[in-house]
Amino acid sequence: GAVVSQHPSWVICKSGTSVKIECRSLDFQATTMFWYRQFPKQSLMLMATSNEGSKATYEQGVEKDKFLINHASLTLSTLTVTSAHPEDSSFYICSASGGGTDTQYFGPGTRLTVL
Amino acid sequence: DAKTTQPNSMESNEEEPVHLPCNHSTISGTDYIHWYRQLPSQGPEYVIHGLTSNVNNRMASLAIAEDRKSSTLILHRATLRDAAVYYCILPRGRFGAGTRLTVKP
Repeated sequence: GAVVSQHPSWVICKSGTSVKIECRSLDFQATTMFWYRQFPKQSLMLMATSNEGSKATYEQGVEKDKFLINHASLTLSTLTVTSAHPEDSSFYICSASGGGTDTQYFGPGTRLTVL
Repeated sequence: DAKTTQPNSMESNEEEPVHLPCNHSTISGTDYIHWYRQLPSQGPEYVIHGLTSNVNNRMASLAIAEDRKSSTLILHRATLRDAAVYYCILPRGRFGAGTRLTVKP
């Protein structure tokens, strides 16, 4: 149980385009979802936390107009990187938690490359 | 933010036990301690969590200090597949650098 999927697993796009990444909890209701970014050889950096039906809470330094997060249902959250630039190239990972516990279940990650 | 401190790296021989320490001196009374591990180019994997008592599951054991300011993840018999970066985190906490575990055959 507690499976989280992400789609796509990798994406290459041109600078200036927008990319949407989906995160789904497959077998549980995720009241909270988290989005992280990870650069090579570094740890995970929390970008934002979202609760179903509410606006996401962004970490300091993360542009909410650039990284649009939607958590419209208990099983789906999306991250849209708008007007992507090469410096946005990274490994994006989502996680989900629910059922009153703090345990996070992570997706497999999405590798974004912006040319 | 709740902060954790772990050694940057540790080494173990295959089939031997491994004890991975974590300090979390700012822990609050109701904070669970969670451990995750991450293989290259993969999302982190849940390992174990606990509140006060020691915990065991099929993957590992978690020993929590009586004052709860530190904990130790125990892998009873390390295998090559256990080589990963191990993270301990608290609620509302941020991922630290974690401990990179190398397992030697």
